[in-house]
Amino acid sequence: NAGVTQTPKFQVLKTGQSMTLQCAQDMNHEYMSWYRQDPGMGLRLIHYSVGAGITDQGEVPNGYNVSRSTTEDFPLRLLSAAPSQTSVYFCASSSGQAIWSPLHFGNGTRLTVT
Amino acid sequence: GENVEQHPSTLSVQEGDSAVIKCTYSDSASNYFPWYKQELGKRPQLIIDIRSNVGEKKDQRIAVTLNKTAKHFSLHITETQPEDSAVYFCAASNRNNDMRFGAGTRLTVKP
Repeated sequence: NAGVTQTPKFQVLKTGQSMTLQCAQDMNHEYMSWYRQDPGMGLRLIHYSVGAGITDQGEVPNGYNVSRSTTEDFPLRLLSAAPSQTSVYFCASSSGQAIWSPLHFGNGTRLTVT
Repeated sequence: GENVEQHPSTLSVQEGDSAVIKCTYSDSASNYFPWYKQELGKRPQLIIDIRSNVGEKKDQRIAVTLNKTAKHFSLHITETQPEDSAVYFCAASNRNNDMRFGAGTRLTVKP
């Protein structure tokens, strides 16, 4: 049982490039989400999904796309990277509905946009 | 949407003392309040949580209290140890599955 797996661990992009951050969980969790963590700002919700085929926007969704074709995977796409997207990205999952269940976080992806 | 404020941003205590971190939230519909601990370079991990129908919860040296009327909740750590040093985040979640986090408190426990 690997929990929540994120790849890659580190990534450097140039402004305007696109890429996909991968997230997979093997706990059969319905709820998955993406957060970004910036110094002094805690964790901010980007997008979340309550099940396959369902996604919704969080607090800071602009510049990011997500899809949820399977229960296990929840990739995050950066369409045209900007320096403001330099951050640490965490994927998290939860059993059932997040309102009652703790989040299980992946190890994070550190993204630098130059 | 929900807004969570957390204080203080940094906290330094002597080993064996108690530490208290406070959070306030804005959405009266929020009903789940977890606390996460994040060690340097690692992922956040849940240490304790409380639901809106409970006023207090304890787990060994850690306790959380919730005042729904005032919309604030607090984390209490007693008999602090150097391994308690980390960044602590509070969070609040409403029925829309929108979990918002506070900005974090960096706790340092001096031996």
